[in-house]
Amino acid sequence: QVQLQESGPGLVKPSETLSLTCTVSGGSISTFYWSWIRQPPGKGLEWIGYVYHSGTTNYNPSLKSRVTISIDTSKNQFSLKLNSVTAADTAVYYCARDQRFCSSTTCYFWEDVWGQGTTVTVSS
Amino acid sequence: SYDLTQPPSVSVSPGQTASITCSGDKLGNKYACWYQQKPGQSPVLVIYQDNKRPSGIPERFSGSNSGNTATLTISGTQAMDEAVYYCQAWDSYTVFGGGTKLTVL
Repeated sequence: QVQLQESGPGLVKPSETLSLTCTVSGGSISTFYWSWIRQPPGKGLEWIGYVYHSGTTNYNPSLKSRVTISIDTSKNQFSLKLNSVTAADTAVYYCARDQRFCSSTTCYFWEDVWGQGTTVTVSS
Repeated sequence: SYDLTQPPSVSVSPGQTASITCSGDKLGNKYACWYQQKPGQSPVLVIYQDNKRPSGIPERFSGSNSGNTATLTISGTQAMDEAVYYCQAWDSYTVFGGGTKLTVL
């Protein structure tokens, strides 16, 4: 079955850019939507955004100005960049596969497969 | 912005039924799903599209959604069900509830 694995630096300095990659194995990346979600220490989940194989993206309005999510179908990977980070961006970052259901008016998304998560600390 | 509200904690005795609520404006007009997260682990989807169970999720997990409230029900709760549960809905972007810690006493 499909598996996801996050990778990237565990420590990022304030004001710099956080960069993470999610590698998808056991299935093609070209069929689904793919999301990033984060969880600050001891807190709840926050959705960051998704990317589709076409390059279509959608972001959480609260992070939209600082986030870029991209996809590389040749490598079966998708990536997250979050710029101008502060200590508030310290969190476990998860990548996930999205499922989608469309009614006559709206499409709905949910995450059905998650990576194990990677901890990113923002500190000088 | 769209908000989902969950009670911070719910307690249940083993073998009894646990109900966890999730409230949001006209939530019943959207689809809700539920995730289970145990300490140090990634979230696991237990209910999607209001009341559907993914493969491998026990039948004791069920869901409903009407009006402004979605509910996750765990029948015959077991010790292994102790976890934090998050509801989720889509409102042009994914929104999570704050999470409910289920304690099996």
